[in-house]
Amino acid sequence: AQSVTQLDSQVPVFEEAPVELRCNYSSSVSVYLFWYVQYPNQGLQLLLKYLSGSTLVKGINGFEAEFNKSQTSFHLRKPSVHISDTAEYFCAVSARIRGSTLGRLYFGRGTQLTVWP
Amino acid sequence: DGGITQSPKYLFRKEGQNVTLSCEQNLNHDAMYWYRQDPGQGLRLIYYSQIVNDFQKGDIAEGYSVSREKKESFPLTVTSAQKNPTAFYLCASPPGGSGFHTEAFFGQGTRLTVV
Repeated sequence: AQSVTQLDSQVPVFEEAPVELRCNYSSSVSVYLFWYVQYPNQGLQLLLKYLSGSTLVKGINGFEAEFNKSQTSFHLRKPSVHISDTAEYFCAVSARIRGSTLGRLYFGRGTQLTVWP
Repeated sequence: DGGITQSPKYLFRKEGQNVTLSCEQNLNHDAMYWYRQDPGQGLRLIYYSQIVNDFQKGDIAEGYSVSREKKESFPLTVTSAQKNPTAFYLCASPPGGSGFHTEAFFGQGTRLTVV
């Protein structure tokens, strides 16, 4: 089975500071990688995804992530955060379900980003 | 607008009762999934369905049941056998039927509390 490790459960940061949310995954095969954002009591919204091609992926709200195959990492970054970025962020990897033609997502435990004024 | 609708948003249940969470999609997707979210644990897969009248257990299916009688609907029943049902439940559906998600659309979730 795949596993996804988000290295920080909570990241506090001041407004306009840069931020990096770290994610490592375990996989011996090609994977698709995702970052989702969740605001309180809401569903998950896709921030960005890596499927193939350029290892630097740009997403919504000024976020970007870099896929590093040798380090099996997919860290999320933003050069200047806003208070509205306060939310929980989930890293996920897609993989095929064994014995099925379907795929599924494996999620990390989440990182709570809190932006202070 | 196309999307996934979960209802109700909040649900309270007495111990020993079964309760059903609704998930409806108008995206014309074949596959649908149920995830459970607990604080600090990320999302865990409960059940998934590839087509009508077909569904499979995920990682934590014990105490849950599902049905898939229509393409648009994938209700989840939390039974009295589920020992710790208080959680946030999310329904999801990816486009296409391939082995890898290129993206998954999520509903807004149902927060179930056992009182």
